[in-house]
Order: sequence, then structure tokens, then C-alpha cells
Amino acid sequence: DADVTQTPRNRITKTGKRIMLECSQTKGHDRMYWYRQDPGLGLQLIYYSFDVKDINKGEISDGYSVSRQAQAKFSLSLESAIPNQTALYFCATSAHGSSYNEQFFGPGTRLTVL
Amino acid sequence: GNSVTQMEGPVTLSEEAFLTINCTYTATGYPSLFWYVQYPGEGLQLLLKATKADDKGSNKGFEATYRKETTSFHLEKGSVQVSDSAVYFCALNNNAGNMLTFGGGTRLMVKP
Repeated sequence: DADVTQTPRNRITKTGKRIMLECSQTKGHDRMYWYRQDPGLGLQLIYYSFDVKDINKGEISDGYSVSRQAQAKFSLSLESAIPNQTALYFCATSAHGSSYNEQFFGPGTRLTVL
Repeated sequence: GNSVTQMEGPVTLSEEAFLTINCTYTATGYPSLFWYVQYPGEGLQLLLKATKADDKGSNKGFEATYRKETTSFHLEKGSVQVSDSAVYFCALNNNAGNMLTFGGGTRLMVKP
């Protein structure tokens, strides 16, 4: 079984709709991240959490919100989706105390906003 | 701030050709450097890393040397295979903030 899972894997939605992307991990890591990937731009950090109830904004948090319901779960919400949020979204985890912060990624969610 | 610049792709090679993907960085302090690989339909996986100057990271026939004097971490492989077709990301961790900064990614296509 995959250590970091994301649901859904693909989603098509309309402008103005609320969308939630889910991430779960079985690695026992305390740190979780949400990234957005656009062609040619690499990965941009949206939000990150170092523990339950710890939430921090990344580079591009506007238009997004997150919830860390448990150590193993980290959800990303788009309150009112817009077309320029069409992208590939990745969740990642890492362990506190890791000497170089190796991050482990989920398979991604492809979101299309029409 | 921190930044990572990679050569733009796609890079198209024939099987058994030599591969170089250039990566340069800007960072404060002494960052750790990484190459991640993304195979089609999958998330990123750590390919190799180097945590201090002159370190050489290696894995699966790929190598990269941390060059502080040129702020570079170029990825090389002596003989690529079709199965190496993927997107490769260079990244750094500036250790102080413990966050990863990614380059834009380079798509590699290897033809039989």
C-alpha cells in the first residue's frame, strides 16, 4: 500500500464551487505539506503543518485553506474555485528531526476548474 | 531569498547516450541539495542528495556533485535508458527554514 495517498486523483469542477482535496499518510510523520505544480514552474508551497493544530502559509496560500484533522490527515480546500487554480496538487510528508528534510510525495490530484 | 534554476526541457536523447541536466542555485548559508524524479502519473521521489560542498550524491547510475564555488548541482548519467524518461527536479533545503525550494523541472525523453 502507498505510504502517502491522495483523493481524488482527478477532479473536474466549475468556477465558484468549493472543493476539498484529501491527503492521508501511514509513515507516522508529523510534518505535512501541500504543493501546487504548474508546467515550467516546479512545485510551489501552498501550506504546511508541523503538527496537529499547527498551520503555516506557504508561497501561494491565497484562495486556499487547510485543515490538519489528525497527524495522518491534511486536507486542502478551495473555497470558491477559479480557472487559474487548474493544476496538479501534491501532498508530501517529512519527519521532524530528519537531517535534510527528505519529503515523501503522494501521487497527486489533477484538478481542472472550468 | 532562495532559488533554483534548471535547464529547460524537454531533453530528448537516444538510449545509451550521456545525460547532463544543469542546475544552479542561490541560497543563504549552506543548503542541502537534491534531485527528485517524477515518473509519469506518479509523485516525486528522491533520487539523490548532497548535504555539503564537494559531496557527490549517486543512485541508479545518476550522479551529482555539490559545487559551492559555482553554486551548481548538475545531474549526470553515463548511459540513459528508456525507463529514465521522467521529469527531474533540482531542489534545495536551506536548513535554517527547513523548507524545500524547487526548480522548474526538466523533462527527459529517451528514445529506443
